[in-house]
Order: sequence, then structure tokens, then C-alpha cells
Amino acid sequence: QVQLQESGPGLVKPSQTLSLTCAASGGSISGDNYFWTWIRQHPGKGLEWIGHIFYSGTAYYNPSLRSRVTLSLDTSKNQFSLILSSVTAADTAVYFCARGLRDHSSNMDIWGQGTTVIVSS
Amino acid sequence: DIQMTQSPSSLSASVGDRVTITCRASQNISTYLNWYQQKPGKAPKVLIYAASILQSGVPSRFTGSGSGTDFTLTISSLQPEDFATYCCHQTYRTPWTFGPGTTVDIK
Repeated sequence: QVQLQESGPGLVKPSQTLSLTCAASGGSISGDNYFWTWIRQHPGKGLEWIGHIFYSGTAYYNPSLRSRVTLSLDTSKNQFSLILSSVTAADTAVYFCARGLRDHSSNMDIWGQGTTVIVSS
Repeated sequence: DIQMTQSPSSLSASVGDRVTITCRASQNISTYLNWYQQKPGKAPKVLIYAASILQSGVPSRFTGSGSGTDFTLTISSLQPEDFATYCCHQTYRTPWTFGPGTTVDIK
């Protein structure tokens, strides 16, 4: 069973770039059956889809973040990453990585535990 | 963007109660609708996908129904471990969007 684990800095200064990694274990991120997603949750709020990336490297982004976000895959390390530039306090959130199924539902069946990111000087 | 709304935003119920949560999409999303359960400090867990299909390992007391714009999640007999927040999620069109959540707590 695949497990996902996010890692990255818990504290980022405003205007800096946030970089998060999601390491997969117990299975490979290679292959066409899945896609790899980032979702965030602001304190006390609902979930926000950031984007997802396929094994081919094709990525889809939330237009609200598109100009600042980049997703990538590193199959040699079996991990995928999120880069978010020019962060502000509004980017303070819990960030989750997840695996999605390439089927009708595109549901996300495996999630990391989440990592808290605080943007503050 | 497709807006997702849920009702109620919260409810209080007792063990054994039947609970129904409604999710509405701002446009037709067919059955591109998933339901997630989230407990405090934890990642969401998928319960129902494609509007009505029970995820493997999820108890059969959870059922989903609906298509188009109106969807329902029903818990037939609430159990202590079901006290949590439930949210719907559309994957009909990007940007994928989530409902705001319905919190089920103990009466």
C-alpha cells in the first residue's frame, strides 16, 4: 500500500518561495493509472485544490495560483514536489499531497498526513 | 468555477441516528462527485466516489446518491467514529472545488 509523506519548511517569510516534497513509499509514482495532487486547507476552512500532475509531466493548476505554482515529479526519488513563489500570509495553511485515480471519479484515495506552513516574518 | 454548497453547515446527532447531508453544485456535474470525511488534525478520507460508489473498506452505513446538481450523503446509523466533518468534491471541471463541509457532532 502506497504511503505519502510531505516535507518542507514549517515557516516561510513573506515574498519567499515555498518548496514542499511528497515522498511515496510502498509503491511507485510511475505509471499512468494515477495522478499526484496538492491540496491545502487554510486554518478552520475548507479544502482548496492547488493542482495535480500526471506521470507524463502534464500538470493542471488552480487559476487562482497558476502564476505562482509549479508541480514536478522526480521518479528517480519516487517523489513529487510543489513550488509556490511570492508567498504571503494568505498562503498559511496545511498542505496535503494525495494520490488520485485516473478514472471517472478522479477521487483521491491516499493522502499524506499534511504539513503546516506558516508565512510570517 | 463550479461552486459547491452544503447543508447543513453543522448538525448535532446521537449514536444510531440517521443523518443526511446535502451537496449542491452551481452547474450540472453529472456524477463527478466524491465525498470525504475529515477528523480534526487528520487528512481527508474518501468515502464515496462517482456520487454513489462506496470506497473499499468504508462501512455500508454510508451511502451516496444524486446526479446533476444535487447530491446526498446518508449515514444510516451514526456510530461514535462518524463524528467528523464531511465535504463534497467535484471533479467535473478544473479548478476542482470542494464544499465548505458539514460538521457532525454529538448531541
